Order: sequence, then structure tokens, then C-alpha cells
Amino acid sequence: TQLLEQSPQFLSIQEGENLTVYCNSSSVFSSLQWYRQEPGEGPVLLVTVVTGGEVKKLKRLTFQFGDARKDSSLHITAAQPGDTGLYLCAIVPITSYGKLTFGQGTILTVHP
Amino acid sequence: GAGVSQSPSNKVTEKGKDVELRCDPISGHTALYWYRQSLGQGLEFLIYFQGNSAPDKSGLPSDRFSAERTGGSVSTLTIQRTQQEDSAVYLCASIPRTGTEGTEAFFGQGTRLTVV
Repeated sequence: TQLLEQSPQFLSIQEGENLTVYCNSSSVFSSLQWYRQEPGEGPVLLVTVVTGGEVKKLKRLTFQFGDARKDSSLHITAAQPGDTGLYLCAIVPITSYGKLTFGQGTILTVHP
Repeated sequence: GAGVSQSPSNKVTEKGKDVELRCDPISGHTALYWYRQSLGQGLEFLIYFQGNSAPDKSGLPSDRFSAERTGGSVSTLTIQRTQQEDSAVYLCASIPRTGTEGTEAFFGQGTRLTVV
């Protein structure tokens, strides 16, 4: 069973601060997704990273896929209260019949 | 609408009663998942349907939990003899699973279950 760990579990910061969330696996995976869940809603896909060493940017969010394809990070610059939510990483299975596996998530609270 | 629909959105039930939660996935999506989410927590995998294959039930917490997916579309999660620890938000997700459409999981808004 492939384990997926996210850290930190909780993060409480002030508006304007930077932060990084980490996602680590016990083994190599083909690609990884990051989702954000706002209160009262279901998770929504932010990005999929596929290539080792890949870096993707989405406005103030920067996603990185480790060279060894065992880890990923999400960096938010100048956090805003609207960034508050649960951030989840998920391993995409290699085969089309594999199971999508989620990490436990990081709860981010950005205070005004 | 074109999204994943779950019903009811909220359900309050008495301990010991049975409940049924419904998920209408996006038309044409072949994979369907059920997750449970306790307050302030991540997603707990429950069950996974993929096409006509046997479902992966490895996440169901007890034999009081069961799920069906009829005609490869609508799914129902049934919890028998509900307990207070069953209180949570139950989320359903569907995935296209067709080549170029990718593997993005589309989630419903969930059913908030409260067992009193």
C-alpha cells in the first residue's frame, strides 16, 4: 500500500505571509494532483503535475514535483484570507483502473 | 446541471435507524468514489466503483456500511443501524477515466449526516 503524508496538518498564518505545504510518498508515483476544499464545498482540482522536477504556477500558488517523483510541494506567496481551506494532494494511479489516493490534507487558515 | 449531485444535503437521524445517501455522478464518468470527512479532517476512503469491475470496498469501516452503483451511474451508500460516530460529511466523486479526459475527480457538495 502506497502511503501519502502531508505536512503540516494545520497552518495558521497572517495575511501577507508565505507558506509551503508538503506531500511525501513512500514510493515513486506517476503523477500527483493538488485539490483545495473550501468550507461547505467539495474539493476542487488545482493542478496535476506529471514530470519529475516540474514546476507549475497558478497565480500566487507554485506547485513543484520532486525530481525523484516521490514528493511534491505547494507554495503560496502573500497568502490572503480567500486562500483559507483544506489542501489535499492525491496520487494518480498508473493504470486507468487504479485508485486515486488522497493525503490527509493541510488545513490552512489565513487571518486578515 | 453538469456537476455531481448528492442528496440529501443534510440528514439528521436517530441512532439505530438506517439511512441512504444518493450520488448522481457526471454522465459518462466511469469511476465513482465515496469518502467520509469528519469535522476539520481529511478524506477517509470508503468505496470505489470502476466500470463493471467489482468495487473496492476496502475502506468501509464496518458491515453496517454498503454501497451500490446501478447501471454504471447512480450510487447509493447505505448505513444500517446508525451510530453517533457515523456523523460526518459523506462526499461522492466521479472521474472520467477515459484517456485524454484525464483523471480529475469531480466532487459533489456532500451529505452532512448527523446521528442523534
